[in-house]
This record gives sequence, C-alpha cells and structure tokens, in this order.
Amino acid sequence: GENVEQHPSTLSVQEGDSAVIKCTYSDSASNYFPWYKQELGKRPQLIIDIRSNVGEKKDQRIAVTLNKTAKHFSLHITETQPEDSAVYFCAASKPGSQGNLIFGKGTKLSVKP
Amino acid sequence: DGGITQSPKYLFRKEGQNVTLSCEQNLNHDAMYWYRQDPGQGLRLIYYSQIVNDFQKGDIAEGYSVSREKKESFPLTVTSAQKNPTAFYLCASSITHQQGSYNSPLHFGNGTRLTVT
Repeated sequence: GENVEQHPSTLSVQEGDSAVIKCTYSDSASNYFPWYKQELGKRPQLIIDIRSNVGEKKDQRIAVTLNKTAKHFSLHITETQPEDSAVYFCAASKPGSQGNLIFGKGTKLSVKP
Repeated sequence: DGGITQSPKYLFRKEGQNVTLSCEQNLNHDAMYWYRQDPGQGLRLIYYSQIVNDFQKGDIAEGYSVSREKKESFPLTVTSAQKNPTAFYLCASSITHQQGSYNSPLHFGNGTRLTVT
C-alpha cells in the first residue's frame, strides 16, 4: 500500500524566512496531494492541494511542487509569520481509493518573531 | 464549525467501558471518515463510509465499530477490545467522485479527545 514519508519532523525559522517541508510517496498511482495545517488543539484544515496533472501550484505565500518521477512533493511557505506556526501534514491518495488519504507524520513549524 | 460537529470535545471513561463518539455533518457529503491522531503518528484511518449502510475498515479498525444509518451521521464506538484507546479522534467528510477520477479534500470536525483510565 501507499506510504508517505514527511521531513523534517520539526522546523524552526525566523519570521520573514522561508520554510520548506518535503514528502515522498511510494505508490506511483497516487494522483492527489493535499496539505493540511493543524493549530494546537484544533482540526486540520486544507491549505493547498495539487493533482498529478500539474507540477506546481501557488496561493499567495504558499506553494506546492510535485515531482512525479521522483515521487516527492514539497510545501513552500515564504515570508513566514508567527501565525504560520502549526503542525503541517502532507497526504496522498490514488483514484479508486474511496478518498482514503494516507498522511505523513507531520512537521511542527515554529516561526520565531 | 465547518459543517461537521463532533461531540463531546473531551470524554473520560474507565477502562473496560465502551464509549461512542458522535459525528454529524450538514455538508451533504456522501463520504465520512474516522481518524485517530497520536503524538508523532500523524493521522491514521480507522473506518470510512462512502454511502449509507455501508462502511469499510481502515488501517487500524481493531477494537472499533461504526454505523452509517443516516447520511448525516457516522458514530464511532470505542470498545473495551481497543488496547490503547486514549487519543484524539477526528471525524471527516468529503464529496465522492466516480471511480477513476481524482479524490476530493477532507473536511474535518474539531475532534474529540478521549481519555481512558
């Protein structure tokens, strides 16, 4: 089955710097890759997602890149702010999997003012 | 919040007791899911349901049971057979697409933190 590895497990950056979180997946049939942000004690919320027919997607300070050949995708946050501090999860799923997302173990991002 | 309501927010039970966690959604989503979250473990799928009266086991279904009698509701029962029930439980829902197309995002509830002593 699908396996998603996420790195790093913790990341600390200075306000204004960029942050990059990387994930790899094992099943080449996977075609949907969402990223979720979870603040302490709250529910995960979708921040951006990408489908396998594109290589990059941007939404203001957030971008995701996908390399299907290497089977990895990354989340890029530019101009980080203290409110970006949270745990970020990547996930992958393939068609016909009934929406079954396989999640990475998460990255705790701390943005220091 | 977000159309998915989980209750209660905190739940305490004695070991050996069954406990049922509630999940209700008004998003008209066909699919519903239960995930368990432990520190450093990410989210692991317990059960999911694509349509009423049908559900499938996820990766860690042992010690859990579900029902899907209504489209809006997907309660999870943590039985006494679950060896380590203390965790944060998240319910989610999504629309479904026809087989062969892309999957859709999950919408999560606020979670229930279960503590068993």
